[in-house]
Amino acid sequence: IAGITQAPTSQILAAGRRMTLRCTQDMRHNAMYWYRQDLGLGLRLIHYSNTAGTTGKGEVPDGYSVSRANTDDFPLTLASAVPSQTSVYFCASSEGTSVEQFFGPGTRLTVL
Amino acid sequence: GQNIDQPTEMTATEGAIVQINCTYQTSGFNGLFWYQQHAGEAPTFLSYNVLDGLEEKGRFSSFLSRSKGYSYLLLKELQMKDSASYLCAVRDSNYQLIWGAGTKLIIKP
Repeated sequence: IAGITQAPTSQILAAGRRMTLRCTQDMRHNAMYWYRQDLGLGLRLIHYSNTAGTTGKGEVPDGYSVSRANTDDFPLTLASAVPSQTSVYFCASSEGTSVEQFFGPGTRLTVL
Repeated sequence: GQNIDQPTEMTATEGAIVQINCTYQTSGFNGLFWYQQHAGEAPTFLSYNVLDGLEEKGRFSSFLSRSKGYSYLLLKELQMKDSASYLCAVRDSNYQLIWGAGTKLIIKP
């Protein structure tokens, strides 16, 4: 079934640890995005990639890094996790930058 | 700054009609999206407006007035499964989506 997968589904992490959230899409979409969603706030863009080999910073990029080695995968890395990074993380993709985005099921991350 | 405002929560009755408003102030405008998000799930696309007017899709309609920075989502013949959060998002001059905090819609029998 075509779509976006994310792993893990949920994770509890000790502060200071490194963590990579995985995102894979099989729709051959050029653009991919990472958002975080916190209670009472809208989705906030962390990083994005308009095409394989390029990445850009969103609204809240500090403490996060991404890479886009190929079209399908867009991992998000927390180099040294802090409690304020406790959130639900959604990966999304779109065929271009001017159309609807499709979302993965999300990763619920708790940093203690 | 950029800002999207929508009510935090609304309650409606099964079978009725509800209108969810969204006002926005963004740096540039390249379209407005409505998404539905059930609790614990991912957002899913509902509608897209880039020109003024009403877009109808089954029980759901979305309206846009660019001069007023205003949109609404109209849900007709409400069903219990419509209980969800409804997210308004505007694509800005950089073609990035700016998201509202969402409106939680509670449907009562």
